[in-house]
Amino acid sequence: GESVGLHLPTLSVQEGDNSIINCAYSNSASDYFIWYKQESGKGPQFIIDIRSNMDKRQGQRVTVLLNKTVKHLSLQIAATQPGDSAVYFCAELMRSQGNLIFGKGTKLSVKP
Amino acid sequence: GAVVSQHPSWVICKSGTSVKIECRSLDFQATTMFWYRQFPKQSLMLMATSNEGSKATYEQGVEKDKFLINHASLTLSTLTVTSAHPEDSSFYICSARDWGEAFFGQGTRLTVV
Repeated sequence: GESVGLHLPTLSVQEGDNSIINCAYSNSASDYFIWYKQESGKGPQFIIDIRSNMDKRQGQRVTVLLNKTVKHLSLQIAATQPGDSAVYFCAELMRSQGNLIFGKGTKLSVKP
Repeated sequence: GAVVSQHPSWVICKSGTSVKIECRSLDFQATTMFWYRQFPKQSLMLMATSNEGSKATYEQGVEKDKFLINHASLTLSTLTVTSAHPEDSSFYICSARDWGEAFFGQGTRLTVV
């Protein structure tokens, strides 16, 4: 079936380095993508989103890249900080359906 | 941004009892809310879509008689886990959408003993 998956289950980076978290999706009909951050015991927190008519979107210290040709999504975090340590999920949405489909998640650990 | 409040944040119950979880949209009206379940170290899996004033739509494999969903108003959806068993222990999260963006509740940690 169609699903959203991640290449890397865990990622360990040094404080101050840049982090890149990847995600592959298989549903070509998805038109909206979101990255979420989830800290232990809490619900997902919105980080950044991107629509399918864009290939890049920047936020504060974060950038999302969308490559529709290979159905790939990535989240770049600049100058990673200890507070960025969490599990990151990508999610896809078909606006006609309404519900989000989540990827498996990547645990980001930031070493001081 | 919009806020979704979920209550309780954690609950411990005995096997065979029922537990109700509330999900409220605090500053917007949500005609549709979503209920997810998340087991340890796993992703969020959609359980059901809750529609205000109508029956919920359940995902394949989710028992509608065990997970009762009521969406009686535009700001409140409830999930009742009936006759809970230890295998129902999980993190339950609700979500509501406001103009395209999805907002999540804090989650409810259910432990059935």
